[in-house]
Order: sequence, then C-alpha cells, then structure tokens
Amino acid sequence: SYVLTQPPSVSVAPGQTARVTCGGINIVTKSVHWYQQKPGQTPVLVVNDDSDRPSGIPERFSGSNSANTATLTISRVEAGDEADYYCQVWDSNSDHPGVFGAGTRVTVL
Amino acid sequence: EIQLVESGGGLVKPGGSLRLSCIASGHAFSSHSMTWVRQAPGKGLEWVSFITSGSSYIYYAASVKGRFTISRDNAKNSLFLQMNSLRAEDTGVYYCASPPRLRYADYYFDSWGQGTLVTVSS
Repeated sequence: SYVLTQPPSVSVAPGQTARVTCGGINIVTKSVHWYQQKPGQTPVLVVNDDSDRPSGIPERFSGSNSANTATLTISRVEAGDEADYYCQVWDSNSDHPGVFGAGTRVTVL
Repeated sequence: EIQLVESGGGLVKPGGSLRLSCIASGHAFSSHSMTWVRQAPGKGLEWVSFITSGSSYIYYAASVKGRFTISRDNAKNSLFLQMNSLRAEDTGVYYCASPPRLRYADYYFDSWGQGTLVTVSS
C-alpha cells in the first residue's frame, strides 16, 4: 500500500508561515488533498487536488506538489489555525486505495 | 455538498457485530460515491471503506477486509457499514464522508458527518 509520511509536529509564531510536508514515492503523480481537524471537531477539507482551495477557505492556505513531497503552506498564521493537518491521496492502483498521512499537529506559539 | 448524519455506534464486546448507518440530505445522494473513515482515540484518520454511487465498485482497508461490509440504499439516501468480528483496535469514531458529486477519480472528501463512536471492550 502507498505510504504518506508527515512530521508529527510543526511550531510557528503568529504571523509567520507554517509548512507541513507530506512525503510519498513519486507523489507528484498523485493528487494530494489536505484536511484540518481541530480538537473535538470533524475534519475540514482545506486544499484539494494539490493546490485548489474549497470555497470558504482563506487564501492563506495553499498547496504544492513536486517530486516526492507535497506541501501545505499556511501564511500569516493565526491562533485559530492550531490544529491537526492530514494529507490524503487516492491510490487507484491499489486494492486499498484510500490513504491518509499520520497527521501533523501545528502549534501556534 | 450533502449533509450527513451517522448513527448506530455503541459498546460491543470483542467478536460482536454492529451496523452503522449514515443518512444523507441535500444534493442527490445517488450521484455521490461514499466512504467511511475512522479515528481511534487520540490517533489519526484511517480510511476504512468506499462505495461508488451505483455500488459497482467497493474497496476496503486491509485491516477490515473480510470483516466489514459497506452497502447503500439510494432510495433511502442511506449508507451502511456492517461490522462483524469486532476487535479492540476497531474502537474509534466512525465518520461517513463523500466526495463531490459526480467525481470519478482521485477522490477527496468535502462533506463529513459528525461521527459515531464505536467502543469494542469486554
């Protein structure tokens, strides 16, 4: 099965930029999606198809994908951005195609 | 987006069975593929199972294949997850979720229910 690797944690000061990485073999060939989950809440899609932003998601959230790493970038970080972030792909070549990364806790200092 | 509400969670003994339901409202349920995702206490998201809009294609995570069965009833806007031979490691919140309407590849999930808690313990 395809494996996605995320760092357990990222810390960032308010107003700075947070970058959350998602590693996978030749991940550039896949569409990567990102979810935000705040404590006690349901996951929310923040980026789909590498870099598209659903309606209602601030422009501060952006995504990129190249080679073996996809990245979620949160610009001008706010206290309300503190959450767990998960990357996800659909591996259509697998019998078990749904894949989530283990998640990254973003802490706003 | 569609609105999703799960039910059917509860406490069950190891080896027991449980059937989860997810009722959809809003846009045409029959046009949406559907999925189940679970989250063990204090852990990350784990994809569990997926079914296409017409039930033609069904997939399972390796950890549940042979024990769980996903199904749907489009006439009743309902998604189900029959869980048999439950184990302690199946404990967690189970979410139903859906990709955008008429999405046919590279699925992502933009609609989520609030989740239902399954606890497997003696």
